[in-house]
Amino acid sequence: EAGVAQSPRYKIIEKRQSVAFWCNPISGHATLYWYQQILGQGPKLLIQFQNNGVVDDSQLPKDRFSAERLKGVDSTLKIQPAKLEDSAVYLCATIWGTARGSYEQYFGPGTRLTVT
Amino acid sequence: DQQVKQNSPSLSVQEGRISILNCDYTNSMFDYFLWYKKYPAEGPTFLISISSIKDKNEDGRFTVFLNKSAKHLSLHIVPSQPGDSAVYFCAASESGGGADGLTFGKGTHLIIQP
Repeated sequence: EAGVAQSPRYKIIEKRQSVAFWCNPISGHATLYWYQQILGQGPKLLIQFQNNGVVDDSQLPKDRFSAERLKGVDSTLKIQPAKLEDSAVYLCATIWGTARGSYEQYFGPGTRLTVT
Repeated sequence: DQQVKQNSPSLSVQEGRISILNCDYTNSMFDYFLWYKKYPAEGPTFLISISSIKDKNEDGRFTVFLNKSAKHLSLHIVPSQPGDSAVYFCAASESGGGADGLTFGKGTHLIIQP
């Protein structure tokens, strides 16, 4: 069954500080995604992992954002230094294969970041 | 540029009636489409999907229609229930049957009136 744990649930920092988010997807799920959802917008893909490797990080602001997935299980997303416009909900997701041969992405509850 | 558009920020429907949520897309490479439902302080929850080789998919009270020539899809909820009040996101994927990163619309806030 699908399930994604994220922590912390809420974080408030000042601009120029650093922050890290943690995601633990269902054990055995090889694919993991990080999305950023700014208020009033839909989620935007930041990075996609397949096991330890990066599949797509084309929309990740690499000058300040970094992500890693050690041992193909847990993942961390870091922002250093944070800017005001980074205030958003950061969502982690994994996928679940269906009998039809397609995939459904399952999301964690997200971490709400406020940068002041 | 917004590749997935949900032009109605909100929609109010009476309980028991039909809710119709609309979504347009511009990227011809999209071949898999999904609808997600989101409650406050929770992550999006998968609702229903459709492949580009189909024009309709049903799951209980939810039906998604796809018009490829118009690059338009819609979600029908019949009958609408109070628990359906949430933000609904339309999403699309270029390949992989939904395994690739999704492109989302801005969402439509559905309000079911008693």
